[in-house]
Amino acid sequence: SQQGEEDPQALSIQEGENATMNCSYKTSINNLQWYRQNSGRGLVHLILIRSNEREKHSGRLRVTLDTSKKSSSLLITASRAADTASYFCATDWNQGGKLIFGQGTELSVKP
Amino acid sequence: DTAVSQTPKYLVTQMGNDKSIKCEQNLGHDTMYWYKQDSKKFLKIMFSYNNKELIINETVPNRFSPKSPDKAHLNLHINSLELGDSAVYFCASRIRNEQFFGPGTRLTVL
Repeated sequence: SQQGEEDPQALSIQEGENATMNCSYKTSINNLQWYRQNSGRGLVHLILIRSNEREKHSGRLRVTLDTSKKSSSLLITASRAADTASYFCATDWNQGGKLIFGQGTELSVKP
Repeated sequence: DTAVSQTPKYLVTQMGNDKSIKCEQNLGHDTMYWYKQDSKKFLKIMFSYNNKELIINETVPNRFSPKSPDKAHLNLHINSLELGDSAVYFCASRIRNEQFFGPGTRLTVL
């Protein structure tokens, strides 16, 4: 299976703390994306990092990519209760739009 | 002003029935998808259409048949529903590398 794995499966932190989620994948990729899914809703695109990039920032989000280890991490700084959601990494291996999703990390931020 | 919409939001039906889920996007994107998310939140691609043409067809039972009457619509028809078809089905559209998801249709087969 090409499916990636995410770690941890669940993460509970206090508001203001940082949250780090990790993603590992199996094949070569063109890019890796992170999505957020609020309970009962569709997925929302957060950030994309290309295979030739090592780090990318967007607001309170920081994504790293290590293609030699086939892994990525998503850091959310100064977390808020509104960040409570499931976070998925998705790999695009041929730029054809076929995304392979990880199993997600369920983040709970307590006020 | 919803970008990707799906109907219905909830669908409860008996085994053996045939049902359809509709998807529309008003973003002008050429590419649309159907995904299935199981109870463990595992999300898997089922189909993809580009400008009404099927381009991705994963290993999905042929009871599932997508139809794209125009590039803004991608419907999913399911014949002879089985218990294992219970899941949340998401439609999505794509521009460049970013996908935009609909709110999902929760299908429950009894």
